[in-house]
Amino acid sequence: AQSVAQPEDQVNVAEGNPLTVKCTYSVSGNPYLFWYVQYPNRGLQFLLKYITGDNLVKGSYGFEAEFNKSQTSFHLKKPSALVSDSALYFCAVRDGTGFQKLVFGTGTRLLVSP
Amino acid sequence: DTAVSQTPKYLVTQMGNDKSIKCEQNLGHDTMYWYKQDSKKFLKIMFSYNNKELIINETVPNRFSPKSPDKAHLNLHINSLELGDSAVYFCASSQGGAGGPGEQFFGPGTRLTVL
Repeated sequence: AQSVAQPEDQVNVAEGNPLTVKCTYSVSGNPYLFWYVQYPNRGLQFLLKYITGDNLVKGSYGFEAEFNKSQTSFHLKKPSALVSDSALYFCAVRDGTGFQKLVFGTGTRLLVSP
Repeated sequence: DTAVSQTPKYLVTQMGNDKSIKCEQNLGHDTMYWYKQDSKKFLKIMFSYNNKELIINETVPNRFSPKSPDKAHLNLHINSLELGDSAVYFCASSQGGAGGPGEQFFGPGTRLTVL
């Protein structure tokens, strides 16, 4: 069965600095990887996904993520953080081989200070 | 032009009652989902329907019964509510089946509080 780990409960970064939110995964087949963001009292919003192709994926709001097969990681990055990026970020994975459900990580709270 | 909508947004009820949450998507997607997010923000899938057919049914108590009258709607009915059912319930939809690469679009959530 597939699984995903987000090792940091919270990431703190100053506005203007680069940010990284970590994600590692485990699947038996080819992974479909996703990042979502959740603002307070809102639903999840899709940021980006990796299905196949280029390992560097660009998404919404200036976010990008790099798929690393050897390290089974899919870290979320942004070159320059904004205070408005403060939110809860979820990594999710699905085994692309056959039919599998989407499994979410436990979430990482990003706090960007002014 | 809300993509995935849920009603109600808040639901406060007594233990033992029966309640329903409604979900509608206007994206033309063929697959819909119900997720439960607990107080620690952990998100877990409950059900998925593809073209009105149940395709994912996690280990959810049978007090929870999803119903999909058409592929744009997926409702969740909960019987004999318990304190542990208190959570935020999210509806979502995607295109291409639950096993496909399509991203899921989430509704705003329904916060259920059981007293």
